[in-house]
Amino acid sequence: GAVVSQHPSWVICKSGTSVKIECRSLDFQATTMFWYRQFPKQSLMLMATSNEGSKATYEQGVEKDKFLINHASLTLSTLTVTSAHPEDSSFYICSATMGVETGELFFGEGSRLTVL
Amino acid sequence: AQSVSQHNHHVILSEAASLELGCNYSYGGTVNLFWYVQYPGQHLQLLLKYFSGDPLVKGIKGFEAEFIKSKFSFNLRKPSVQWSDTAEYFCAVNAKAAGNKLTFGGGTRVLVKP
Repeated sequence: GAVVSQHPSWVICKSGTSVKIECRSLDFQATTMFWYRQFPKQSLMLMATSNEGSKATYEQGVEKDKFLINHASLTLSTLTVTSAHPEDSSFYICSATMGVETGELFFGEGSRLTVL
Repeated sequence: AQSVSQHNHHVILSEAASLELGCNYSYGGTVNLFWYVQYPGQHLQLLLKYFSGDPLVKGIKGFEAEFIKSKFSFNLRKPSVQWSDTAEYFCAVNAKAAGNKLTFGGGTRVLVKP
């Protein structure tokens, strides 16, 4: 099956620093990748849709300058949390699709960010 | 607002018991429906999906789900659970009416007691 890999799986950083999370589709080309955020004991909230070679589309309430998304190739999307603060601590999950129309997604392992 | 609702937040049951998790959505028109599972410490995995055809869908690990269009429901079932089914289960809907974005329900934590 399709494999999506995220790195790092967990990261601890100081408040005010920036953190980059990578999402790779290992065995398929993903024209579209999605970034989700999962709060403890809550469901996944879509943050943004990332299309290769174009600007990401952010969901309402998500700061695009805070969460920079780059989708430079068909197998790689990155999420950079800029000037991180403790309230940014969360579990970030990326997913990729081979066909936007069907909506079937393949998920990465997730990245747990802790901002001190 | 259009949404995906999972009625049970927590379910506790014993091994061999039957499991049914409810999922309702509020989108009209064409929908694709999914159930994902997240085992402790693992990433989300697809259990089963419905795009069209037979509304009774069989997935992995003995799970099945039934799409009832008139009730806007896609309930997940398993006749006899095992301890290893302890996980969090998410219903998700992809709807043209929602721009083909995958929207998740709130999740149901299932604990199977040995």
